[in-house]
Amino acid sequence: EVQLVQSGAEVKKPGESLKISCKGSGYSFTTHWIGWVRQMPGKGLEWMGIIYPGDSDTAYDPSFQGQVTISADKSISTAYLQWSTLKASDTAMYYCARLTASSGGGWSFDYWGQGTLVTVSS
Amino acid sequence: DIQMTQSPSSLSASVGDRVTITCRASQDITNYLNWYQQKPGKAPNLLIYDASNLETGVSSRFSGSGSGTDFTLTISSLQPEDTATYYCQHYDNLPQNTFGQGTKLEI
Repeated sequence: EVQLVQSGAEVKKPGESLKISCKGSGYSFTTHWIGWVRQMPGKGLEWMGIIYPGDSDTAYDPSFQGQVTISADKSISTAYLQWSTLKASDTAMYYCARLTASSGGGWSFDYWGQGTLVTVSS
Repeated sequence: DIQMTQSPSSLSASVGDRVTITCRASQDITNYLNWYQQKPGKAPNLLIYDASNLETGVSSRFSGSGSGTDFTLTISSLQPEDTATYYCQHYDNLPQNTFGQGTKLEI
């Protein structure tokens, strides 16, 4: 069974750093892209970026480039999303999701983690 | 950048109704369009990929159609458990990816 299990909720102060995780199991972790998606309170889904754990190739949405860092440790089948300096506006639910290619050439997020709630408040 | 526009932003319907949600792309995206369902407090769930393909395990009451710039998600015979927010998403050449703004469906 494919599973993505994310780390638990975090409460941080502005200016602090943070790294959240997403552990994959039940499939070949190194041959599927993993994406991160932000959902601010009461808002829609925003794609942040993706990583290919096999070689750590990454790509970011321009809105998030330089604001976060996506990484992976393939030896433990885990992807990460990290901030060096958190802001109150980073308060949101963050989801990881597996990208799968279809035979038709499109890509979809077919499995999702349960989400990690990050709260940044002084 | 390709923009995805969903309509309506919200709707209310009754058990047994048939509803349609639309998604319009700002340029031709062939059939590279997915639909997701997000129930309150839960992670999104893939319903339809490549515009019209039903994801394994998803109820056949859900169907998708369209190509080019105009796409629809249809839910037939609405059930109470269909209460959710529905998102379209375009994703072809990595890393370009865009979600629609969502359609909140109340039963």
